Amino acid sequence: DIVMTQSPDSLAVSLGERATINCKSSQSVLYNSNNKNYLAWYQQKPGQPPKLLLSWASTRESGVPDRVSGSGSGTDFTLTISSLQAEDVALYYCQQYYSAPFTFGPGTKVDIK
Amino acid sequence: EEQLVESGGGLVQPGRSLRLSCAASGFTFDIYAMHWVRQVPGKGLEWVSGISWNSGSIGYADSVKGRFTISRDNAKNSLYVHMSSLRDEDTALYYCAKDKRSYYDTPAFDMWGQGTMVTVSS
Repeated sequence: DIVMTQSPDSLAVSLGERATINCKSSQSVLYNSNNKNYLAWYQQKPGQPPKLLLSWASTRESGVPDRVSGSGSGTDFTLTISSLQAEDVALYYCQQYYSAPFTFGPGTKVDIK
Repeated sequence: EEQLVESGGGLVQPGRSLRLSCAASGFTFDIYAMHWVRQVPGKGLEWVSGISWNSGSIGYADSVKGRFTISRDNAKNSLYVHMSSLRDEDTALYYCAKDKRSYYDTPAFDMWGQGTMVTVSS
């Protein structure tokens, strides 16, 4: 199984400042034949189901603000919120869909400082 | 409005069975793969099972293989999971999740229900 890890476990950022979350997979999730990273990012707010933010490591879903971006390749990935807003307070999970079982990271909690 | 609504959760004794359902509406259900993902309250997410658009391909997490059976009825826009030989560790909130693609084997989950809680306890 591919093990996903995230860092930090939690972070507190001032409004308008940058938040950066790291995700690492135990093996590469880059499929060489199409040069795509099989990595997604989700946001989960209390009492709500997860919401897909990014797929293919960096492709934003419709309606996701452009202050949210993803980068990385292979085994190391980053989710960046360039200017944190109050509505960004949530848990964030990465997930690999390179191979079954499709595994999630443990989550990173983002709060306002 | 696109929507997934789960039902069928509840309190069940270890070793017993339960069937969860997920009713889909507002999108073309029969062209997308569908999945079950569970979450112990306050904990992380675990993919449980997935099924391709035509039920031709199915996969399970090792933790439920041989005990859970996923199925779908495209005529009824519904997804199911039959859970047998339930264990304490199956206690979780079970989400129905829509795949962005037709085959279950590379899923990003772009729509989720609110979940149905399953509690396994004597």
